[in-house]
Amino acid sequence: QKEVEQDPGPLSVPEGAIVSLNCTYSNSAFQYFMWYRQYSRKGPELLMYTYSSGNKEDGRFTAQVDKSSKYISLFIRDSQPSDSATYLCAMSVTESGGSYIPTFGRGTSLIVHP
Amino acid sequence: EPEVTQTPSHQVTQMGQEVILRCVPISNHLYFYWYRQILGQKVEFLVSFYNNEISEKSEIFDDRFSVERPDGSNFTLKIRSTKLEDSAMYFCARQVQRGPQHFGDGTRLSIL
Repeated sequence: QKEVEQDPGPLSVPEGAIVSLNCTYSNSAFQYFMWYRQYSRKGPELLMYTYSSGNKEDGRFTAQVDKSSKYISLFIRDSQPSDSATYLCAMSVTESGGSYIPTFGRGTSLIVHP
Repeated sequence: EPEVTQTPSHQVTQMGQEVILRCVPISNHLYFYWYRQILGQKVEFLVSFYNNEISEKSEIFDDRFSVERPDGSNFTLKIRSTKLEDSAMYFCARQVQRGPQHFGDGTRLSIL
């Protein structure tokens, strides 16, 4: 079983739709959860960073963590064509000395069409 | 704007040659990382660098790979005896004490 599972998509939605992106994981030691957005030929750009279970909101983005189900989600409200990108989930455990090596999902390709 | 600058943006090299990829952090950070991403695949950890020393490395980071911070500013990844399978995007990332990592825009390495 892979440590982090993420459906590669593509997920195609109309402009203005609510988008739900998800990842499941198997390692119960993961404590830190991140969502990155990656445009073609660019580096991952941090969108959300959360610790433990619950919700975190930032503008149109909401990150949700359910540690009991080992499931995380990213919701995008009022999606825009500029949101079209690949969304990567990543998660890590605390390493001694403070070094965090995240494990990434494969990424979900999102297409928002006008 | 990314918080680390990577050069070159694209490097084309003959198989067997050596390449040096560079990363310039915009501000002073303790932790630096190199990752690679083969086209269509996951971002994979290569090596972490803390206080001018390698702190962790993955199985991918074999003895053909090395990292340095030669002048206290630039952070380099050297790959010797390059192979076709080294073709990928290579990302540098920085981290502040406890927190997520921030990535540069990467170098696309093409081995011919």
